[in-house]
Amino acid sequence: GENVEQHPSTLSVQEGDSAVIKCTYSDSASNYFPWYKQELGKRPQLIIDIRSNVGEKKDQRIAVTLNKTAKHFSLHITETQPEDSAVYFCAASKTGGFKTIFGAGTRLFVKA
Amino acid sequence: EAGVVQSPRYKIIEKKQPVAFWCNPISGHNTLYWYRQNLGQGPELLIRYENEEAVDDSQLPKDRFSAERLKGVDSTLKIQPAELGDSAVYLCASSLEFHEQFFGPGTRLTVL
Repeated sequence: GENVEQHPSTLSVQEGDSAVIKCTYSDSASNYFPWYKQELGKRPQLIIDIRSNVGEKKDQRIAVTLNKTAKHFSLHITETQPEDSAVYFCAASKTGGFKTIFGAGTRLFVKA
Repeated sequence: EAGVVQSPRYKIIEKKQPVAFWCNPISGHNTLYWYRQNLGQGPELLIRYENEEAVDDSQLPKDRFSAERLKGVDSTLKIQPAELGDSAVYLCASSLEFHEQFFGPGTRLTVL
């Protein structure tokens, strides 16, 4: 079946360092890849997304890259801050089906 | 603008009892999703509605779960009877355009 694999499951970085989270997807028809941030006990919130016609997208300290050939995409957070600490989920979906498959999540710890 | 509203926020029941969750999406959002999120995992889609029509319920355990979205606005998800393994957070989300989903705060269900 369709699935999204996400790595690492846990990531600890020092404040100011960069963090990279990687995901791979199985359905080659997927064309939309959002990233969600979920703080403890709160709802997932969209932080950035990318569509299949774009290879990279940046929004201040966060960026996402997409390699459709390899079927993987990555989240990059630069100059990390303690408030970046949360669980991050990648997801993949496709037009028509609207079905969104989420990765298992990466727990990011940013140490002050 | 109000976000996605869910109630109750918490529910504790004994196994074999029924339970219902309610969701009111963002005004004007025609697509509504119910997800289940187990501890330490990403959200898993249970059912998706386009207006009042359930267009993807392939992951809904139909022997005990049911859902409805009368008039294409708010929605109810029911479990009857509940089992121990149903303990999870049940998230509702809505979207207007394809893809970007806005999540509600979730209902944390504990089955004893």
